[in-house]
Amino acid sequence: DAGVIQSPRHEVTEMGQEVTLRCKPISGHDYLFWYRQTMMRGLELLIYFNNNVPIDDSGMPEDRFSAKMPNASFSTLKIQPSEPRDSAVYFCASIVGTEAFFGQGTRLTVV
Amino acid sequence: AQSVTQLDSHVSVSEGTPVLLRCNYSSSYSPSLFWYVQHPNKGLQLLLKYTSAATLVKGINGFEAEFKKSETSFHLTKPSAHMSDAAEYFCVVSLNSGGYQKVTFGTGTKLQVIP
Repeated sequence: DAGVIQSPRHEVTEMGQEVTLRCKPISGHDYLFWYRQTMMRGLELLIYFNNNVPIDDSGMPEDRFSAKMPNASFSTLKIQPSEPRDSAVYFCASIVGTEAFFGQGTRLTVV
Repeated sequence: AQSVTQLDSHVSVSEGTPVLLRCNYSSSYSPSLFWYVQHPNKGLQLLLKYTSAATLVKGINGFEAEFKKSETSFHLTKPSAHMSDAAEYFCVVSLNSGGYQKVTFGTGTKLQVIP
């Protein structure tokens, strides 16, 4: 298995634009987590899914953020409109049993 | 509720000396515990995990951790630090709560290795 795959690896966008981050979890994993990492706040859990259903989105910072998991092999995190303070590295992780497997992250820069 | 506390945000050691990164957890039930490492501008890599088997867990790159239920601790150690160990380390607790698996990260410890 290729592991958790995130795309793009880097994204630079202008303030106000829509940004979509993508994640392909490991096949057979029934949980998917989205995290955001910044220097100021460290790793923050944004939302997680179980069997494609959102379970806890209390970490999503604002209504500008939304996440979907239309099927077991794909999830998106969308920011619309984006702001400079959204600049961070966004990680996706899929979980089987108790262990989390992370993607390489998407480094988002909003200018 | 579960939580994990990493007691030191920064640790600095000399190359060749022991490493100790501290982690305490809070959990109503027996959790699974993990240490992840993140090198600069990289993703998170699993170092080792405890899932209710042996309390002394050996991981990659010479790291190990001991689960101590009485102290609710899961400290990470290495006998001799190497320059390549400089990174950020995260202690993680994973627990099934209310029928769902919840993964909680500590705030991380940045390890500096001085030549």
